[in-house]
Amino acid sequence: SQTIHQWPATLVQPVGSPLSLECTVEGTSNPNLYWYRQAAGRGLQLLFYSVGIGQISSEVPQNLSASRPQDRQFILSSKKLLLSDSGFYLCAWSVISGYLTGELFFGEGSRLTVL
Amino acid sequence: AQSVTQLDSQVPVFEEAPVELRCNYSSSVSVYLFWYVQYPNQGLQLLLKYLSGSTLVESINGFEAEFNKSQTSFHLRKPSVHISDTAEYFCAVSEKTSYDKVIFGPGTSLSVIP
Repeated sequence: SQTIHQWPATLVQPVGSPLSLECTVEGTSNPNLYWYRQAAGRGLQLLFYSVGIGQISSEVPQNLSASRPQDRQFILSSKKLLLSDSGFYLCAWSVISGYLTGELFFGEGSRLTVL
Repeated sequence: AQSVTQLDSQVPVFEEAPVELRCNYSSSVSVYLFWYVQYPNQGLQLLLKYLSGSTLVESINGFEAEFNKSQTSFHLRKPSVHISDTAEYFCAVSEKTSYDKVIFGPGTSLSVIP
């Protein structure tokens, strides 16, 4: 069966420090991968999605970046964190094939607090 | 571009009472529709989905949603809620011509009161 792992689960970082959140998927190949951010009371905001290795689409201009160095690995990064980067970050994957329907499978999330 | 509206940010309801969580979407093409549930400090889980066929879809825990194309709605209902239904509920849409993007509504916080 397919599983998705996301870490770290909790992170407290000072303003201006770098960030790296990692997500890996097991049990499937060539998935679509997504990073969402959930700020308190504001729902889910799509940050990045990727349909293949090295292919990243950005939905919101900001100081965050994403990379997909391997088929089932998706990394969210920042060189200098801002207070506004605090939130709950969710990685997700979906099937990429003729059966694609947009159904997403989510990781457990990473809670980032920037102080 | 598609968008999703959930007009009710918070819905308190007494245990065993019925509930309806509203969802409306905007899209110029055919869509797939989803309801996801999020329990505190967890990721989202798919509750139910509409892909095609019958406009009424059901989940295993008693929720149902009806796709109404003319009103561009996909409201979620349950005839009798339990304490365990307390969670955040998100409506989501993906366009059939661009299904690599899934857009979520702002969410509705359902609080079941004993």
